[in-house]
Amino acid sequence: RKEVEQDPGPFNVPEGATVAFNCTYSNSASQSFFWYRQDCRKEPKLLMSVYSSGNEDGRFTAQLNRASQYISLLIRDSKLSDSATYLCVVYNYGQNFVFGPGTRLSVLP
Amino acid sequence: EAGVVQSPRYKIIEKKQPVAFWCNPISGHNTLYWYLQNLGQGPELLIRYENEEAVDDSQLPKDRFSAERLKGVDSTLKIQPAELGDSAVYLCASSLGYRGLNTGELFFGEGSRLTVL
Repeated sequence: RKEVEQDPGPFNVPEGATVAFNCTYSNSASQSFFWYRQDCRKEPKLLMSVYSSGNEDGRFTAQLNRASQYISLLIRDSKLSDSATYLCVVYNYGQNFVFGPGTRLSVLP
Repeated sequence: EAGVVQSPRYKIIEKKQPVAFWCNPISGHNTLYWYLQNLGQGPELLIRYENEEAVDDSQLPKDRFSAERLKGVDSTLKIQPAELGDSAVYLCASSLGYRGLNTGELFFGEGSRLTVL
């Protein structure tokens, strides 16, 4: 079993739709969590950190459930420019950033 | 301020040939990572440096891969000899952090896309 798993995707949604991505991690000692975004043939970039209380950044909301070892990302009012691959990332202090396989999103006009 | 710089951007070689990739991290970032990314997959760590020390190279295939970061700044990743299965994007990243404490953001270079024929 991979340390970080994500919805396989791809997700094809119309503009304006709400879409949710799910991620699970296997290491219960994991301490920091992130969502990165990767555009086609580009490098990954940090989208947002995920905090225990949940956090929001504009149209993006991230949630963390430590008991279930589950992370989610919700995108409201999808834009064409949201089309990308979303990578769930887990960090263990003293160790490494572990990336999930990514979930590809295509927002259609 | 310059970001993480990698070269070359693209490399096409025949199998059994050697290849080297170079990375210059963001100034002041002491932690440097080399990741491998296959099509449709997330990045997978090859090696992590803190300054000039390789603190995690457990996933580096040491029979053919080597890396160095001699002065704790720029780094080189080498493959010799290359195999067909090495075709991938090699990503370098850097971050602020030391001995396990990290700001939580990785800054990636644009990557080096390797094709082995």
